[in-house]
Amino acid sequence: DQQVKQNSPSLSVQEGRISILNCDYTNSMFDYFLWYKKYPAEGPTFLISISSIKDKNEDGRFTVFLNKSAKHLSLHIVPSQPGDSAVYFCAASRRNTGNQFYFGTGTSLTVIP
Amino acid sequence: GAGVSQSPRYKVAKRGQDVALRCDPISGHVSLFWYQQALGQGPEFLTYFQNEAQLDKSGLPSDRFFAERPEGSVSTLKIQRTQQEDSAVYLCASSSLGTAPGNTIYFGEGSWLTVV
Repeated sequence: DQQVKQNSPSLSVQEGRISILNCDYTNSMFDYFLWYKKYPAEGPTFLISISSIKDKNEDGRFTVFLNKSAKHLSLHIVPSQPGDSAVYFCAASRRNTGNQFYFGTGTSLTVIP
Repeated sequence: GAGVSQSPRYKVAKRGQDVALRCDPISGHVSLFWYQQALGQGPEFLTYFQNEAQLDKSGLPSDRFFAERPEGSVSTLKIQRTQQEDSAVYLCASSSLGTAPGNTIYFGEGSWLTVV
């Protein structure tokens, strides 16, 4: 069963506008969440993370929001740039089994110049 | 090294052949992970090492899959008698911390295995 879900396989956004990528999870025990970005033929690269004690974490153009009651997190990219075009994966883990990260199936973002 | 290094980058194996995939983690990283990513899917956990100890191998899909990290640095994932469903990207990742939270894992570029 898929414990982390990204229901939008793709998203297109105009350059300069906001990109919002969504992720839902089913396991309420998850307490640490990450976003990874992946270009074709490369491995995923770490982008930003958030602990369950926070509801927002910001790093430059990237902000991750966590809504624990809804078991939902989102990644906001403002302003979007063509170089942001990639596949974005969200991942989750829980304290007692910290060695295992559960990934969503990814959302392919295209930023149109 | 500067990042996680994996070899070979691309491997084509005939069905039934054995393959070995190598991972060089970031220098000094305690934890090492192997993930399998099928086309159109997210990475799925295979196994985890802390130093040389394999602490979790619950994700290995069958006894044809075997991983080792004998000296606590380089790791090898071996797949025996490969089958077509083994075709995937095999991702290695490492991290400096032993357990989450706050444990960010860093991926290599992956080994792309195609079984024909």
